[in-house]
Amino acid sequence: DSGVTQTPKHLITATGQRVTLRCSPRSGDLSVYWYQQSLDQGLQFLIQYYNGEERAKGNILERFSAQQFPDLHSELNLSSLELGDSALYFCASSPELNTQYFGPGTRLTVL
Amino acid sequence: AQKVTQAQTEISVVEKEDVTLDCVYETRDTTYYLFWYKQPPSGELVFLIRRNSFDEQNEISGRYSWNFQKSTSSFNFTITASQVVDSAVYFCALRRSNDYKLSFGAGTTVTVRA
Repeated sequence: DSGVTQTPKHLITATGQRVTLRCSPRSGDLSVYWYQQSLDQGLQFLIQYYNGEERAKGNILERFSAQQFPDLHSELNLSSLELGDSALYFCASSPELNTQYFGPGTRLTVL
Repeated sequence: AQKVTQAQTEISVVEKEDVTLDCVYETRDTTYYLFWYKQPPSGELVFLIRRNSFDEQNEISGRYSWNFQKSTSSFNFTITASQVVDSAVYFCALRRSNDYKLSFGAGTTVTVRA
C-alpha cells in the first residue's frame, strides 16, 4: 500500500459526460501528479500540483482540468468525454522532487 | 528530449529461471533519475527502485538486482530465481533533475509459469 488513495476505483460513463476523479496523497506529500495509462499511448504525464498550485503540465487535453485543495487532495475533471478517454488514470504523490508513489488508479470506461 | 526504450515487449520464463529486463534511456542532462516500477495484474504501480545519475553502484534487493551503466545509457533489471508472483508489467522511467514528470518506457510484460 503506497499510502495514496484514489476514488472511485472504476467508473463507467457515456460519451459527452463529465466525471471527477479524486486523489488523496500520502501524509506529508505536497506534490500530486496525474498520469493517464492507455493501450495506445502508454503512461503519460498529465499535470502536477504542488501545495495547491499548478507546477507542470504535460499532455493534458483542454477538456481536462485539475486542482489541488487546501487539504492537499486533488481532483481531475474530465469533460465532454470521448471513447478515446477510456484509460487507467493514476495519481501519484511525492515529497518535492522525489520518488513518486502511485495510487491504485481509477479505471474509466466511456461507452 | 528524453526517451526511455524497453525493447522487450514480453518475456516468458519458467519458475526459478532468471530474467533480465533491458532499459535504455536518452537524455542530454548530466543529472537525472532512473526508476523501475512494477504493475501486477491488479493494476497498481509499485515503486521498486530509484537511481541517481551520479551513483553508478549496482544494487541488490533480495531477488532483484539492478545494473546501471552510464557509458551505455542502460539501467537493466534482473529477477533471480523468478516466482509466479513476479508476473507483472515492469516499467522503466526517467526524470530530469529540474523536471517533475516521469517519462516511462512502454513496459515489459513478464510471465512466470509454474
